[in-house]
Amino acid sequence: QVQLVQSGAEVKKPGASVKVSCKASGYTFTGYYMHWVRQAPGQGLEWMGWINPNSGATNYAQQFQGRVTMTRDTSINTAHMEMSRLRSDDTAVYYCAPRQSWGTTFDYWGQGTLVTVSS
Amino acid sequence: EIVLTQSPATLSLSPGERGTLSCRASQSVSNSLAWYQQKPGQAPRLLIYDASNRATGIPARFSGSGSGTDFTLTISSLEPEDFAVYYCQQRSNWSDTFGQGTKLEIK
Repeated sequence: QVQLVQSGAEVKKPGASVKVSCKASGYTFTGYYMHWVRQAPGQGLEWMGWINPNSGATNYAQQFQGRVTMTRDTSINTAHMEMSRLRSDDTAVYYCAPRQSWGTTFDYWGQGTLVTVSS
Repeated sequence: EIVLTQSPATLSLSPGERGTLSCRASQSVSNSLAWYQQKPGQAPRLLIYDASNRATGIPARFSGSGSGTDFTLTISSLEPEDFAVYYCQQRSNWSDTFGQGTKLEIK
């Protein structure tokens, strides 16, 4: 069965960076793009982008370009999302969700990682 | 970027009633639209894909319809566990977008 286990909650100061990890199991890690979606407290879902674990190619939503870096380590089936220059409005739960390149839906989700940005 | 607009923002109904949620796209997405349910403290759960197909394990009281720019999620007879937030989602060439959500609350 597909399992996505994300790293634990983080508290960061404004201007700092955070790196969230997502360890996948139960499917072929390199066969599915890994997407990241975030959700601010009490707000809706916001798509951030994806990484192709096979090639390392990435595609970021425009609003995150220059601040987000998605990487992967295929030896341990883990994807990472790093965000720099954190602001208070980056406080959110960050989810990972795999999807095949031709797919249109998110069938499986990680449990989410709360990132709190506060001085 | 395709914008998805959901209405209403909040829907207050009683168990047993019929719930109708709407999602409108700023341009045609053909039938490539999905619906998710999210409960507090949980990740979203896929309900409907390709506008009208129920995902695995989703009860038959959930149905989706529409194509192009106008879509509807219908819950035929609300159960207590159906009160949650619902999101629509679409994938275009290089990006995904979600609607802002409809909160279905108990009246």
